Amino acid sequence: DTGVSQDPRHKITKRGQNVTFRCDPISEHNRLYWYRQTLGQGPEFLTYFQNEAQLEKSRLLSDRFSAERPKGSFSTLEIQRTEQGDSAMYLCASSTLLAGGYNEQFFGPGTRLTVL
Amino acid sequence: AQSVSQHNHHVILSEAASLELGCNYSYGGTVNLFWYVQYPGQHLQLLLKYFSGDPLVKGIKGFEAEFIKSKFSFNLRKPSVQWSDTAEYFCAVTTDSWGKLQFGAGTQVVVTP
Repeated sequence: DTGVSQDPRHKITKRGQNVTFRCDPISEHNRLYWYRQTLGQGPEFLTYFQNEAQLEKSRLLSDRFSAERPKGSFSTLEIQRTEQGDSAMYLCASSTLLAGGYNEQFFGPGTRLTVL
Repeated sequence: AQSVSQHNHHVILSEAASLELGCNYSYGGTVNLFWYVQYPGQHLQLLLKYFSGDPLVKGIKGFEAEFIKSKFSFNLRKPSVQWSDTAEYFCAVTTDSWGKLQFGAGTQVVVTP
Protein backbone atom coordinates (compact mmCIF):
# COMPACT_ATOMS: atom_id res chain seq x y z
CA ASP A 1 0.00 0.00 0.00
CA THR A 2 1.78 3.11 -1.22
CA GLY A 3 -0.81 5.51 0.19
CA VAL A 4 -1.91 8.81 -1.28
CA SER A 5 0.89 10.80 -2.86
CA GLN A 6 1.01 14.46 -3.80
CA ASP A 7 3.41 16.42 -5.94
CA PRO A 8 5.06 18.82 -5.40
CA ARG A 9 5.34 18.91 -1.63
CA HIS A 10 6.20 22.60 -1.67
CA LYS A 11 5.56 25.32 -4.21
CA ILE A 12 6.62 28.95 -4.04
CA THR A 13 5.23 31.22 -6.71
CA LYS A 14 4.76 34.87 -7.45
CA ARG A 15 1.35 36.47 -7.36
CA GLY A 16 -0.36 36.18 -10.72
CA GLN A 17 1.32 32.95 -11.77
CA ASN A 18 -0.53 29.70 -12.43
CA VAL A 19 0.24 26.57 -10.43
CA THR A 20 -0.82 22.94 -10.79
CA PHE A 21 -0.75 20.23 -8.16
CA ARG A 22 -1.07 16.50 -8.65
CA CYS A 23 -2.62 13.84 -6.45
CA ASP A 24 -2.27 10.09 -6.90
CA PRO A 25 -4.85 8.24 -4.79
CA ILE A 26 -4.67 4.72 -3.42
CA SER A 27 -5.08 2.57 -6.51
CA GLU A 28 -8.42 0.91 -5.80
CA HIS A 29 -10.09 4.04 -4.43
CA ASN A 30 -12.76 5.56 -6.65
CA ARG A 31 -13.38 8.68 -4.56
CA LEU A 32 -10.96 11.57 -4.44
CA TYR A 33 -11.23 14.77 -2.39
CA TRP A 34 -9.35 18.06 -2.28
CA TYR A 35 -9.14 20.12 0.89
CA ARG A 36 -7.34 23.32 1.84
CA GLN A 37 -5.83 23.99 5.24
CA THR A 38 -4.63 27.34 6.49
CA LEU A 39 -2.62 27.99 9.63
CA GLY A 40 -4.57 27.36 12.80
CA GLN A 41 -7.56 25.85 11.02
CA GLY A 42 -8.77 22.43 10.14
CA PRO A 43 -8.94 21.33 6.51
CA GLU A 44 -11.80 22.79 4.45
CA PHE A 45 -13.49 20.85 1.68
CA LEU A 46 -12.89 22.10 -1.87
CA THR A 47 -14.15 19.48 -4.28
CA TYR A 48 -14.84 15.78 -4.75
CA PHE A 49 -14.67 13.22 -7.54
CA GLN A 50 -16.22 9.83 -7.93
CA ASN A 51 -14.19 8.16 -10.65
CA GLU A 52 -13.76 10.86 -13.29
CA ALA A 53 -16.92 12.80 -12.41
CA GLN A 54 -16.59 15.94 -10.33
CA LEU A 55 -19.69 15.75 -8.15
CA GLU A 56 -19.44 18.70 -5.81
CA LYS A 57 -17.53 21.95 -5.53
CA SER A 58 -17.36 24.16 -2.48
CA ARG A 59 -18.08 27.86 -2.76
CA LEU A 60 -14.45 28.23 -1.65
CA LEU A 61 -13.48 27.05 -5.12
CA SER A 62 -13.49 30.29 -7.08
CA ASP A 63 -13.39 30.50 -10.87
CA ARG A 64 -9.59 30.61 -10.68
CA PHE A 65 -9.54 27.06 -9.38
CA SER A 66 -10.10 24.02 -11.55
CA ALA A 67 -9.76 20.34 -10.75
CA GLU A 68 -9.75 17.36 -13.04
CA ARG A 69 -9.53 13.61 -12.78
CA PRO A 70 -9.44 12.66 -16.43
CA LYS A 71 -9.23 8.88 -16.26
CA GLY A 72 -10.55 8.34 -12.78
CA SER A 73 -7.07 7.82 -11.40
CA PHE A 74 -4.82 10.79 -10.56
CA SER A 75 -6.20 14.28 -10.15
CA THR A 76 -4.85 17.76 -10.76
CA LEU A 77 -5.77 21.02 -9.06
CA GLU A 78 -4.87 24.19 -10.95
CA ILE A 79 -4.95 27.68 -9.55
CA GLN A 80 -4.81 30.48 -12.09
CA ARG A 81 -3.62 34.02 -11.34
CA THR A 82 -2.58 33.12 -7.82
CA GLU A 83 -3.21 35.55 -4.99
CA GLN A 84 -1.51 35.80 -1.62
CA GLY A 85 -4.70 34.52 -0.01
CA ASP A 86 -4.23 31.24 -1.85
CA SER A 87 -1.24 30.43 0.35
CA ALA A 88 -2.20 27.26 2.20
CA MET A 89 -1.65 23.53 2.44
CA TYR A 90 -3.61 21.71 -0.25
CA LEU A 91 -4.57 18.21 0.82
CA CYS A 92 -5.80 15.31 -1.23
CA ALA A 93 -7.66 12.33 0.18
CA SER A 94 -9.04 9.18 -1.34
CA SER A 95 -11.55 6.60 -0.25
CA THR A 96 -13.66 3.73 -1.40
CA LEU A 97 -17.21 2.97 -0.45
CA LEU A 98 -17.36 0.48 2.37
CA ALA A 99 -20.18 -1.94 3.12
CA GLY A 100 -23.13 -0.07 4.59
CA GLY A 101 -22.34 3.05 2.59
CA TYR A 102 -19.56 4.21 4.87
CA ASN A 103 -16.58 6.13 3.70
CA GLU A 104 -13.11 6.38 5.28
CA GLN A 105 -10.68 8.87 3.81
CA PHE A 106 -6.92 8.51 3.62
CA PHE A 107 -4.90 11.69 3.29
CA GLY A 108 -1.78 12.52 1.38
CA PRO A 109 1.10 14.63 2.73
CA GLY A 110 -0.19 17.81 1.10
CA THR A 111 1.29 20.49 -1.12
CA ARG A 112 2.27 23.66 0.69
CA LEU A 113 1.74 26.69 -1.53
CA THR A 114 3.34 30.03 -0.78
CA VAL A 115 2.35 32.98 -2.94
CA LEU A 116 4.75 35.91 -2.72
CA ALA B 1 -24.83 26.34 9.20
CA GLN B 2 -23.24 23.06 10.18
CA SER B 3 -20.15 23.37 12.32
CA VAL B 4 -17.68 21.35 14.34
CA SER B 5 -16.29 22.85 17.53
CA GLN B 6 -13.21 21.74 19.39
CA HIS B 7 -13.10 23.18 22.85
CA ASN B 8 -9.40 23.67 23.34
CA HIS B 9 -6.86 25.01 20.87
CA HIS B 10 -3.83 24.09 22.97
CA VAL B 11 -3.36 21.51 25.69
CA ILE B 12 -0.15 20.93 27.61
CA LEU B 13 0.16 17.98 29.96
CA SER B 14 2.73 15.68 31.48
CA GLU B 15 3.40 12.08 30.56
CA ALA B 16 1.04 9.61 32.24
CA ALA B 17 -1.66 12.26 32.62
CA SER B 18 -5.11 11.57 31.22
CA LEU B 19 -6.28 13.37 28.11
CA GLU B 20 -9.77 14.37 27.07
CA LEU B 21 -10.45 16.51 24.02
CA GLY B 22 -13.91 17.85 23.42
CA CYS B 23 -15.73 17.88 20.10
CA ASN B 24 -19.26 19.10 19.44
CA TYR B 25 -21.08 19.30 16.15
CA SER B 26 -24.21 21.08 15.06
CA TYR B 27 -26.27 18.79 12.87
CA GLY B 28 -29.48 17.07 13.78
CA GLY B 29 -29.39 14.20 11.32
CA THR B 30 -27.30 11.08 10.90
CA VAL B 31 -23.59 11.70 11.25
CA ASN B 32 -20.38 9.76 10.84
CA LEU B 33 -17.66 10.93 13.20
CA PHE B 34 -13.88 10.81 13.05
CA TRP B 35 -10.79 11.81 14.95
CA TYR B 36 -7.66 12.42 12.89
CA VAL B 37 -4.16 13.01 14.25
CA GLN B 38 -1.27 14.86 12.66
CA TYR B 39 2.13 14.14 14.20
CA PRO B 40 4.88 16.73 13.62
CA GLY B 41 6.02 16.57 10.01
CA GLN B 42 3.55 13.86 9.08
CA HIS B 43 0.23 13.77 7.25
CA LEU B 44 -3.23 13.36 8.70
CA GLN B 45 -3.91 9.86 9.97
CA LEU B 46 -7.18 8.33 11.09
CA LEU B 47 -7.22 7.70 14.83
CA LEU B 48 -10.74 6.29 15.12
CA LYS B 49 -14.18 6.47 13.61
CA TYR B 50 -17.83 6.05 14.48
CA PHE B 51 -20.37 4.96 11.90
CA SER B 52 -23.00 3.15 13.95
CA GLY B 53 -23.45 0.68 16.79
CA ASP B 54 -21.59 0.86 20.10
CA PRO B 55 -21.12 4.58 20.87
CA LEU B 56 -17.81 3.86 22.60
CA VAL B 57 -15.21 3.31 19.92
CA LYS B 58 -11.62 2.30 20.33
CA GLY B 59 -8.88 3.44 18.02
CA ILE B 60 -5.18 3.05 17.60
CA LYS B 61 -2.55 3.79 20.25
CA GLY B 62 -4.93 3.43 23.18
CA PHE B 63 -7.32 6.20 22.19
CA GLU B 64 -11.07 5.93 22.53
CA ALA B 65 -14.01 8.21 21.87
CA GLU B 66 -17.61 8.28 23.00
CA PHE B 67 -20.50 9.40 20.83
CA ILE B 68 -23.24 11.02 22.92
CA LYS B 69 -26.05 11.78 20.51
CA SER B 70 -28.08 13.83 22.97
CA LYS B 71 -25.13 16.14 23.52
CA PHE B 72 -23.97 16.21 19.89
CA SER B 73 -20.55 15.28 21.18
CA PHE B 74 -17.71 12.93 20.26
CA ASN B 75 -15.00 13.41 22.86
CA LEU B 76 -11.60 11.78 22.56
CA ARG B 77 -9.89 10.21 25.56
CA LYS B 78 -6.68 8.49 26.51
CA PRO B 79 -6.07 7.36 30.10
CA SER B 80 -2.30 7.84 30.10
CA VAL B 81 -0.50 9.88 27.47
CA GLN B 82 3.05 9.46 26.26
CA TRP B 83 5.50 12.00 24.91
CA SER B 84 4.89 10.49 21.45
CA ASP B 85 1.25 11.64 21.60
CA THR B 86 2.41 15.19 20.98
CA ALA B 87 0.45 16.12 17.87
CA GLU B 88 -2.48 18.06 16.51
CA TYR B 89 -5.84 16.37 16.82
CA PHE B 90 -8.80 17.08 14.54
CA CYS B 91 -12.41 16.08 14.98
CA ALA B 92 -14.36 15.64 11.73
CA VAL B 93 -17.94 14.92 10.73
CA THR B 94 -19.67 13.76 7.57
CA THR B 95 -23.35 14.43 7.12
CA ASP B 96 -23.97 13.27 3.57
CA SER B 97 -23.50 10.17 1.49
CA TRP B 98 -20.60 11.67 -0.45
CA GLY B 99 -18.62 11.72 2.76
CA LYS B 100 -16.99 15.10 2.51
CA LEU B 101 -15.50 15.89 5.89
CA GLN B 102 -16.14 18.97 7.97
CA PHE B 103 -13.28 19.50 10.39
CA GLY B 104 -12.91 21.32 13.65
CA ALA B 105 -10.09 23.83 14.06
CA GLY B 106 -7.87 21.29 15.78
CA THR B 107 -6.28 20.96 19.21
CA GLN B 108 -2.52 21.12 19.57
CA VAL B 109 -1.47 18.69 22.31
CA VAL B 110 1.99 18.90 23.84
CA VAL B 111 3.08 16.15 26.22
CA THR B 112 6.06 17.01 28.37
CA PRO B 113 8.41 14.29 29.64
